[in-house]
Amino acid sequence: GIQVEQSPPDLILQEGANSTLRCNFSDSVNNLQWFHQNPWGQLINLFYIPSGTKQNGRLSATTVATERYSLLYISSSQTTDSGVYFCAVSYAGNNRKLIWGLGTSLAVNP
Amino acid sequence: ETGVTQTPRHLVMGMTNKKSLKCEQHLGHNAMYWYKQSAKKPLELMFVYSLEERVENNSVPSRFSPECPNSSHLFLHLHTLQPEDSALYLCASTPGTGNYGYTFGSGTRLTVV
Repeated sequence: GIQVEQSPPDLILQEGANSTLRCNFSDSVNNLQWFHQNPWGQLINLFYIPSGTKQNGRLSATTVATERYSLLYISSSQTTDSGVYFCAVSYAGNNRKLIWGLGTSLAVNP
Repeated sequence: ETGVTQTPRHLVMGMTNKKSLKCEQHLGHNAMYWYKQSAKKPLELMFVYSLEERVENNSVPSRFSPECPNSSHLFLHLHTLQPEDSALYLCASTPGTGNYGYTFGSGTRLTVV
C-alpha cells in the first residue's frame, strides 16, 4: 500500500520563525490533506490539497503530485501553532480511506 | 467546539467491563468515522458509516462493535478489551463520502487496566 513519510519528526522553533514541513508519498494519490492536532488532542483540517498551492493566513501548502510530495509552510510562528501536523492521503483504489503519516511534532517557544 | 461532540473524554475500564463511546454531530454530515490513535503509530481507520450504513470495516476485532442509529449519532461499544486497546479514540464526520471536509471530535482517552 501507499507509504506516507513526514519530516522532520520533531521541530522546535522560536516564536516568529518560519518553517517548512514535508510529506512524501510513495504512489499516485487523488486526495491529500494536512491536519493540525493541538496539545489537547483536537484535530483540525487545515488544507485539502491534492495538487497546487493554497494559502490560509500564515499557513500555506503546496502539493507537487507528479513528484509525490507536499509542503506545509508556517510563517511567523506563534505558540498556538504548537502540536502535531499530519499529512494524510487517499488513492483511487480506496477513496474512502485516508492513509496517515506519523506527523511532525512542533513546539513553538515564546 | 467543532460541532462533533464525543463523550466521555476519559474512560478507564477493566478487561471484563462493557462500556460505550458516544459521538454526536449536528453539522448535517452524512458520513461518520471511528479512528484509533496510538502512540508512535499512524491514525487507524476503524469504521465508516454513510447514511447509517456501515461501508468500511478495517479488520477490527469483534470486541469493538459500532452502532449508527441515525446520521447524527455514532457509538462504539466495547467489551472484554485488552491493555493494547488503550488509545485515543476519535470520531469524525464529513459532508459526504468524498473523504474531505473532515470535522473531528476531541476524542475519548481510553485506558484498559
